[in-house]
Amino acid sequence: AQSVTQPDIHITVSEGASLELRCNYSYGATPYLFWYVQSPGQGLQLLLKYFSGDTLVQGIKGFEAEFKRSQSSFNLRKPSVHWSDAAEYFCAVRNAGNNRKLIWGLGTSLAVNP
Amino acid sequence: NAGVTQTPKFQVLKTGQSMTLQCAQDMNHNSMYWYRQDPGMGLRLIYYSASEGTTDKGEVPNGYNVSRLNKREFSLRLESAAPSQTSVYFCASSEDSRGLVTSQYFGPGTRLLVL
Repeated sequence: AQSVTQPDIHITVSEGASLELRCNYSYGATPYLFWYVQSPGQGLQLLLKYFSGDTLVQGIKGFEAEFKRSQSSFNLRKPSVHWSDAAEYFCAVRNAGNNRKLIWGLGTSLAVNP
Repeated sequence: NAGVTQTPKFQVLKTGQSMTLQCAQDMNHNSMYWYRQDPGMGLRLIYYSASEGTTDKGEVPNGYNVSRLNKREFSLRLESAAPSQTSVYFCASSEDSRGLVTSQYFGPGTRLLVL
């Protein structure tokens, strides 16, 4: 069965430091991958998505993610974190068995120290 | 363009009471979803609707019913609330291209406490 793993439950970084959030998926063919962000008390917002083509995708708020087929990964990165980036981050993959559904990781909680 | 709206924002129920959570989207999306979010469990799909007039069960449908009233609206009903249904409920709608979801857009959530 397809799955999405976010190995880090919680990460703390200092403001201005770089950030990488990990996401691994299990799926044989080319996956359709997403990163969402959830600020405290809010709904989820789409940061970026990968369907095909260039494996480095740019998103909103200065985030980018790189699809690496050999590592089954889709890690989210940001060169310099701002305090407002403190949030929960979710990785998801489109369900190959039902293309209308997404399979979600359990999320990574990001704290930013001033 | 409001996107996805949900009502109410907060609700407290007693065990056995019923309620309906309302969701509407103005993006002309075909697919709509209800999720619940619990600490440490991520997002779990309760029901979804691929188009007006159709609904399908997700991972955790027990204790819930849904209605796709029209293309814009998708409601979630708890007939007899239980403490285990204390959660944050999110409605979402998605763009889809020939039946393939491309992006999901979420409402702000309904925080439900069942005593």
